[in-house]
Amino acid sequence: DSGVTQTPKHLITATGQRVTLRCSPRSGDLSVYWYQQSLDQGLQFLIQYYNGEERAKGNILERFSAQQFPDLHSELNLSSLELGDSALYFCASSVGGVTTDTQYFGPGTRLTVL
Amino acid sequence: EDQVTQSPEALRLQEGESSSLNCSYTVSGLRGLFWYRQDPGKGPEFLFTLYSAGEEKEKERLKATLTKKESFLHITAPKPEDSATYLCAVQASNYQLIWGAGTKLIIKP
Repeated sequence: DSGVTQTPKHLITATGQRVTLRCSPRSGDLSVYWYQQSLDQGLQFLIQYYNGEERAKGNILERFSAQQFPDLHSELNLSSLELGDSALYFCASSVGGVTTDTQYFGPGTRLTVL
Repeated sequence: EDQVTQSPEALRLQEGESSSLNCSYTVSGLRGLFWYRQDPGKGPEFLFTLYSAGEEKEKERLKATLTKKESFLHITAPKPEDSATYLCAVQASNYQLIWGAGTKLIIKP
């Protein structure tokens, strides 16, 4: 158990809908990262937040957005969902923001778009 | 362009048969190289971080090494429970992690 929690574990929804994925980092960690992992692709970095501020952006679509709250938990919002958005979404956390700190991953949320 | 390539894509071994997984990289200003293990449907589990060429780290049957162009994950006398996908990630000078596609390791009893 990494100490990172994600809810829900599974989510099934329809195209065009909007969903919110939630992540709580390990105690003491200030950074949260979001990743997407599809069957035919590796881990794709989406976005990083450090202590409430956006720190780095990867291949995140405009339909997706995220935020980190004062208690350091983070939410990833996915809107206008498409079939291709079906994937595992992972959250990771680390102590710092711009270092070689290790990222610890949560168990993931499996999103299925029908 | 920064790039990380893992080989082979898949590796089948008999229990006890030692082997190595490769992670080759081309990045500007390596800050660190990470190895993770991922079981199906689960989040990656951290194994090692290597920072400079010549560095080695060990954990049970796994040993990770680093050169200026690649890293190896050596697995000695593997057991079926070592079956997983092993992921390599490199942190470049801009601090972003670049992930390899992984090597799927299957250990047959």
